Amino acid sequence: EAQVTQNPRYLITVTGKKLTVTCSQNMNHEYMSWYRQDPGLGLRQIYYSMNVEVTDKGDVPEGYKVSRKEKRNFPLILESPSPNQTSLYFCASSSDYPRNIQYFGAGTRLSVL
Amino acid sequence: DAKTTQPPSMDCAEGRAANLPCNHSTISGNEYVYWYRQIHSQGPQYIIHGLKNNETNEMASLIITEDRKSSTLILPHATLRDTAVYYCIVHLGSGATNKLIFGTGTLLAIQP
Repeated sequence: EAQVTQNPRYLITVTGKKLTVTCSQNMNHEYMSWYRQDPGLGLRQIYYSMNVEVTDKGDVPEGYKVSRKEKRNFPLILESPSPNQTSLYFCASSSDYPRNIQYFGAGTRLSVL
Repeated sequence: DAKTTQPPSMDCAEGRAANLPCNHSTISGNEYVYWYRQIHSQGPQYIIHGLKNNETNEMASLIITEDRKSSTLILPHATLRDTAVYYCIVHLGSGATNKLIFGTGTLLAIQP
């Protein structure tokens, strides 16, 4: 079954404690992306990757890092989380043009205290 | 990417067809219309997309006007599980960021 898997689904942490949210897809997609969703602000792109070792900033990259060492994995790293990073996070993957159908993970709800 | 306008909310009776409108008057010739939906805090789910012609799949139908300035998503026999926020997105289908711009969408409530 085609899937984008995120872990963990829920996470409560404290300010400054480094964390990683993992994302894995089994569809051999080149493109992967991270979004955050906040009430009233909708979904906003954090980082994206066009392929292995190719990553770039989205609209709200501050405070986040990513890496793409393998095609299937695209972890999101918060080196020093702050309360304003409390949010619902989604990972997505898609194949190339022209379809650009994006498949989303189930989401990770993060609370930073 | 062109901006889209959708009504904030709609109701539909279970078993009836749900027709969700979207205006995208600034769409350019090579931009596609995509529809996604998000069921309460779950990951957005792709529904359908089209360029010029009407499209149909197992989930829905997409009707695009001849001038491409608006479209309608049709769920032919709505069920309670179709209650969700529906997003109409205009996108090139390719490009450097491949970013989807989600607006506020339409909250569709299916009434029993």
